[in-house]
Amino acid sequence: AQSVTQPDIHITVSEGASLELRCNYSYGATPYLFWYVQSPGQGLQLLLKYFSGDTLVQGIKGFEAEFKRSQSSFNLRKPSVHWSDAAEYFCAVALRGGDDKIIFGKGTRLHILP
Amino acid sequence: NAGVTQTPKFRILKIGQSMTLQCTQDMNHNYMYWYRQDPGMGLKLIYYSVGAGITDKGEVPNGYNVSRSTTEDFPLRLELAAPSQTSVYFCASSTGQGAFFGPGTRLTVT
Repeated sequence: AQSVTQPDIHITVSEGASLELRCNYSYGATPYLFWYVQSPGQGLQLLLKYFSGDTLVQGIKGFEAEFKRSQSSFNLRKPSVHWSDAAEYFCAVALRGGDDKIIFGKGTRLHILP
Repeated sequence: NAGVTQTPKFRILKIGQSMTLQCTQDMNHNYMYWYRQDPGMGLKLIYYSVGAGITDKGEVPNGYNVSRSTTEDFPLRLELAAPSQTSVYFCASSTGQGAFFGPGTRLTVT
Protein backbone atom coordinates (compact mmCIF):
# COMPACT_ATOMS: atom_id res chain seq x y z
CA ALA A 1 0.00 0.00 0.00
CA GLN A 2 1.11 3.54 -0.66
CA SER A 3 2.22 5.30 2.49
CA VAL A 4 4.31 8.04 4.04
CA THR A 5 6.08 7.28 7.30
CA GLN A 6 7.55 9.68 9.79
CA PRO A 7 8.99 7.36 12.43
CA ASP A 8 9.57 10.01 15.10
CA ILE A 9 6.46 11.43 16.76
CA HIS A 10 8.45 13.83 18.96
CA ILE A 11 12.02 15.09 18.74
CA THR A 12 13.76 17.36 21.22
CA VAL A 13 16.96 19.22 20.41
CA SER A 14 18.86 22.04 22.06
CA GLU A 15 18.90 25.46 20.50
CA GLY A 16 21.89 25.72 18.18
CA ALA A 17 22.11 21.95 17.64
CA SER A 18 21.64 20.27 14.29
CA LEU A 19 18.39 18.61 13.31
CA GLU A 20 17.33 15.74 11.10
CA LEU A 21 13.71 14.65 10.69
CA ARG A 22 13.10 11.38 8.92
CA CYS A 23 10.61 10.57 6.19
CA ASN A 24 10.16 7.38 4.20
CA TYR A 25 7.64 6.68 1.49
CA SER A 26 6.28 3.60 -0.16
CA TYR A 27 5.12 4.15 -3.72
CA GLY A 28 5.51 2.32 -7.01
CA ALA A 29 7.51 5.18 -8.51
CA THR A 30 9.29 8.24 -7.19
CA PRO A 31 6.62 10.74 -6.21
CA TYR A 32 6.82 14.47 -5.78
CA LEU A 33 8.08 15.10 -2.23
CA PHE A 34 7.34 17.94 0.17
CA TRP A 35 8.00 19.13 3.69
CA TYR A 36 5.51 21.39 5.45
CA VAL A 37 5.65 23.12 8.83
CA GLN A 38 2.75 23.92 11.12
CA SER A 39 3.11 26.30 14.03
CA PRO A 40 0.61 25.91 16.89
CA GLY A 41 -2.89 26.96 15.89
CA GLN A 42 -1.80 27.78 12.35
CA GLY A 43 -2.18 26.36 8.90
CA LEU A 44 0.61 24.60 7.02
CA GLN A 45 3.45 26.32 5.22
CA LEU A 46 5.52 24.73 2.46
CA LEU A 47 9.21 24.48 3.46
CA LEU A 48 10.61 22.82 0.36
CA LYS A 49 9.88 20.37 -2.43
CA TYR A 50 11.61 17.86 -4.66
CA PHE A 51 10.45 17.06 -8.16
CA SER A 52 13.62 16.06 -10.02
CA GLY A 53 17.27 16.96 -10.50
CA ASP A 54 19.64 17.75 -7.65
CA THR A 55 18.76 15.45 -4.77
CA LEU A 56 19.69 18.06 -2.15
CA VAL A 57 17.06 20.79 -2.09
CA GLN A 58 17.11 24.05 -0.22
CA GLY A 59 14.05 25.54 1.37
CA ILE A 60 12.96 28.48 3.44
CA LYS A 61 14.08 29.24 7.00
CA GLY A 62 17.46 27.52 6.46
CA PHE A 63 16.04 24.02 5.95
CA GLU A 64 17.26 21.50 3.41
CA ALA A 65 16.25 17.97 2.49
CA GLU A 66 17.96 15.13 0.69
CA PHE A 67 16.20 12.66 -1.56
CA LYS A 68 17.68 9.16 -1.50
CA ARG A 69 16.04 6.89 -4.04
CA SER A 70 17.73 3.74 -2.76
CA GLN A 71 16.29 4.31 0.70
CA SER A 72 12.94 5.82 -0.40
CA SER A 73 13.71 8.64 1.99
CA PHE A 74 13.44 12.41 2.04
CA ASN A 75 14.93 13.57 5.33
CA LEU A 76 14.74 17.18 6.48
CA ARG A 77 17.80 18.86 8.01
CA LYS A 78 18.88 22.10 9.56
CA PRO A 79 22.44 22.80 10.74
CA SER A 80 21.47 24.95 13.73
CA VAL A 81 17.95 25.20 15.12
CA HIS A 82 16.39 28.29 16.63
CA TRP A 83 13.69 28.42 19.32
CA SER A 84 11.28 29.64 16.65
CA ASP A 85 11.64 26.31 14.81
CA ALA A 86 9.53 24.58 17.45
CA ALA A 87 6.54 23.33 15.46
CA GLU A 88 5.11 20.23 13.83
CA TYR A 89 6.68 19.07 10.60
CA PHE A 90 4.92 17.03 7.95
CA CYS A 91 6.36 15.07 5.08
CA ALA A 92 4.04 14.70 2.09
CA VAL A 93 3.99 13.07 -1.34
CA ALA A 94 2.04 13.47 -4.55
CA LEU A 95 1.89 11.04 -7.44
CA ARG A 96 3.72 12.01 -10.58
CA GLY A 97 1.61 12.48 -13.65
CA GLY A 98 -1.44 11.48 -11.73
CA ASP A 99 -4.15 13.43 -10.03
CA ASP A 100 -1.75 15.24 -7.74
CA LYS A 101 -3.56 14.40 -4.55
CA ILE A 102 -1.15 15.06 -1.71
CA ILE A 103 -0.80 12.46 1.03
CA PHE A 104 0.71 13.39 4.40
CA GLY A 105 2.67 11.57 7.05
CA LYS A 106 1.51 11.77 10.66
CA GLY A 107 3.98 14.48 11.56
CA THR A 108 6.92 15.02 13.89
CA ARG A 109 6.64 17.54 16.69
CA LEU A 110 9.90 19.38 17.30
CA HIS A 111 10.69 20.70 20.77
CA ILE A 112 13.60 23.09 21.34
CA LEU A 113 15.51 23.25 24.63
CA PRO A 114 16.94 26.66 25.54
CA ASN B 1 -3.81 38.18 -2.96
CA ALA B 2 -5.72 36.79 0.01
CA GLY B 3 -4.55 33.24 -0.82
CA VAL B 4 -6.84 30.55 0.57
CA THR B 5 -9.63 31.72 2.83
CA GLN B 6 -11.89 29.55 4.94
CA THR B 7 -15.07 30.34 6.82
CA PRO B 8 -16.07 29.94 9.56
CA LYS B 9 -13.04 29.76 11.85
CA PHE B 10 -14.95 27.93 14.59
CA ARG B 11 -18.26 26.13 14.71
CA ILE B 12 -20.16 23.96 17.15
CA LEU B 13 -22.76 21.61 15.70
CA LYS B 14 -25.26 19.33 17.32
CA ILE B 15 -25.40 15.71 16.22
CA GLY B 16 -27.51 15.37 13.10
CA GLN B 17 -27.17 18.99 11.99
CA SER B 18 -25.63 19.89 8.65
CA MET B 19 -23.35 22.68 7.55
CA THR B 20 -21.10 23.86 4.75
CA LEU B 21 -17.48 24.85 5.22
CA GLN B 22 -16.52 27.49 2.72
CA CYS B 23 -13.19 27.66 0.89
CA THR B 24 -12.10 30.24 -1.66
CA GLN B 25 -8.77 30.80 -3.39
CA ASP B 26 -7.77 33.75 -5.54
CA MET B 27 -4.62 32.28 -7.11
CA ASN B 28 -6.37 30.63 -10.07
CA HIS B 29 -5.16 27.21 -8.94
CA ASN B 30 -6.68 24.19 -10.63
CA TYR B 31 -6.18 21.78 -7.75
CA MET B 32 -8.07 22.11 -4.50
CA TYR B 33 -8.22 19.84 -1.47
CA TRP B 34 -10.02 19.30 1.80
CA TYR B 35 -8.18 17.71 4.71
CA ARG B 36 -9.09 16.95 8.27
CA GLN B 37 -6.49 16.98 11.03
CA ASP B 38 -6.86 14.97 14.19
CA PRO B 39 -4.24 14.87 16.98
CA GLY B 40 -1.43 12.43 16.22
CA MET B 41 -2.97 11.43 12.89
CA GLY B 42 -1.54 14.01 10.52
CA LEU B 43 -3.78 15.25 7.72
CA LYS B 44 -6.24 12.96 6.01
CA LEU B 45 -7.49 13.82 2.54
CA ILE B 46 -11.28 14.00 2.39
CA TYR B 47 -11.95 15.14 -1.19
CA TYR B 48 -9.99 16.84 -3.92
CA SER B 49 -10.61 18.52 -7.25
CA VAL B 50 -8.37 18.89 -10.29
CA GLY B 51 -10.54 21.57 -11.86
CA ALA B 52 -13.99 23.10 -12.00
CA GLY B 53 -16.65 20.43 -12.36
CA ILE B 54 -14.32 17.59 -11.33
CA THR B 55 -14.12 16.12 -7.84
CA ASP B 56 -12.89 12.84 -6.41
CA LYS B 57 -12.77 11.03 -3.11
CA GLY B 58 -9.71 11.02 -0.92
CA GLU B 59 -8.84 8.76 2.01
CA VAL B 60 -11.79 9.56 4.30
CA PRO B 61 -14.79 10.80 2.24
CA ASN B 62 -17.64 9.20 4.18
CA GLY B 63 -20.05 11.72 5.68
CA TYR B 64 -18.91 14.55 3.41
CA ASN B 65 -19.74 15.99 0.03
CA VAL B 66 -18.11 18.61 -2.18
CA SER B 67 -18.80 20.56 -5.31
CA ARG B 68 -16.57 22.65 -7.59
CA SER B 69 -18.70 24.88 -9.76
CA THR B 70 -15.98 27.53 -10.15
CA THR B 71 -12.18 27.55 -10.06
CA GLU B 72 -12.22 29.72 -6.94
CA ASP B 73 -14.65 27.91 -4.65
CA PHE B 74 -14.59 24.43 -3.14
CA PRO B 75 -17.20 24.08 -0.37
CA LEU B 76 -17.33 21.03 1.90
CA ARG B 77 -20.74 19.85 3.03
CA LEU B 78 -21.36 17.84 6.19
CA GLU B 79 -24.69 16.08 6.29
CA LEU B 80 -25.95 14.55 9.54
CA ALA B 81 -22.98 15.62 11.65
CA ALA B 82 -21.50 12.99 13.96
CA PRO B 83 -19.07 13.31 16.90
CA SER B 84 -16.44 11.53 14.78
CA GLN B 85 -16.40 14.60 12.54
CA THR B 86 -15.03 16.77 15.34
CA SER B 87 -11.75 17.92 13.85
CA VAL B 88 -9.84 20.79 12.32
CA TYR B 89 -10.54 21.13 8.62
CA PHE B 90 -8.06 22.60 6.17
CA CYS B 91 -8.65 23.63 2.61
CA ALA B 92 -5.71 23.91 0.23
CA SER B 93 -5.04 24.81 -3.38
CA SER B 94 -2.18 24.00 -5.73
CA THR B 95 -0.82 24.22 -9.24
CA GLY B 96 0.83 20.84 -8.68
CA GLN B 97 3.96 22.54 -7.33
CA GLY B 98 3.09 22.36 -3.64
CA ALA B 99 -0.09 23.34 -1.85
CA PHE B 100 -1.12 26.57 -0.14
CA PHE B 101 -3.26 26.07 2.94
CA GLY B 102 -6.03 28.06 4.50
CA PRO B 103 -6.06 28.86 8.24
CA GLY B 104 -8.47 26.06 9.10
CA THR B 105 -11.93 25.60 10.58
CA ARG B 106 -12.23 24.06 14.04
CA LEU B 107 -15.45 22.05 14.17
CA THR B 108 -16.94 20.45 17.26
CA VAL B 109 -19.92 18.10 17.05
CA THR B 110 -21.70 17.46 20.35
